[in-house]
Amino acid sequence: GESVGLHLPTLSVQEGDNSIINCAYSNSASDYFIWYKQESGKGPQFIIDIRSNMDKRQGQRVTVLLNKTVKHLSLQIAATQPGDSAVYFCAEEVSGGYNKLIFGAGTRLAVHP
Amino acid sequence: DTAVSQTPKYLVTQMGNDKSIKCEQNLGHDTMYWYKQDSKKFLKIMFSYNNKELIINETVPNRFSPKSPDKAHLNLHINSLELGDSAVYFCASSQPSPNTGELFFGEGSRLTVL
Repeated sequence: GESVGLHLPTLSVQEGDNSIINCAYSNSASDYFIWYKQESGKGPQFIIDIRSNMDKRQGQRVTVLLNKTVKHLSLQIAATQPGDSAVYFCAEEVSGGYNKLIFGAGTRLAVHP
Repeated sequence: DTAVSQTPKYLVTQMGNDKSIKCEQNLGHDTMYWYKQDSKKFLKIMFSYNNKELIINETVPNRFSPKSPDKAHLNLHINSLELGDSAVYFCASSQPSPNTGELFFGEGSRLTVL
């Protein structure tokens, strides 16, 4: 299940199930979005990106969906594995001269055997 | 062969001290960044340099001073450290837009101010 509170939201899934991590972004002018994975003790690592002229993009076991109408992104992970356990961040690229990445709050994915 | 490397990995110091964190990237990127990650895992951009020139400064206190001696290095010096500076500081690099999205991060430098 998913919980939201003062702590980092956590999504707990069984190994082999599909995971869906959601993210709401703030700037309707943003046109580039990225998902990052951060394992414990490491820096964030790029997973997949999507531009605003697309609704869906697929990678290896991952799919990103973009709904610009409600400013919502989701990351779907197929057949979740223990190695997928990490904190996942969505980020939006804000335009204006030099583009910069604004990160969302993060969701912890816990995969149980 | 580490792409973005930061030193030190851990730093424990007293309030009021001055400390520096160093960052180097061997990816040939033009743009480098400092991000701060707090205890709730929130990642916030602090600075960005493009080819040694400061291009983003996110209203960070003046006690924080970045320096880029060349485009492969971006250091962060912090004066008069405060308790609230305790965090993990991440260096990152990227190529200019339209590929800006893919930031390559270092492993982080955990700063603890006592």
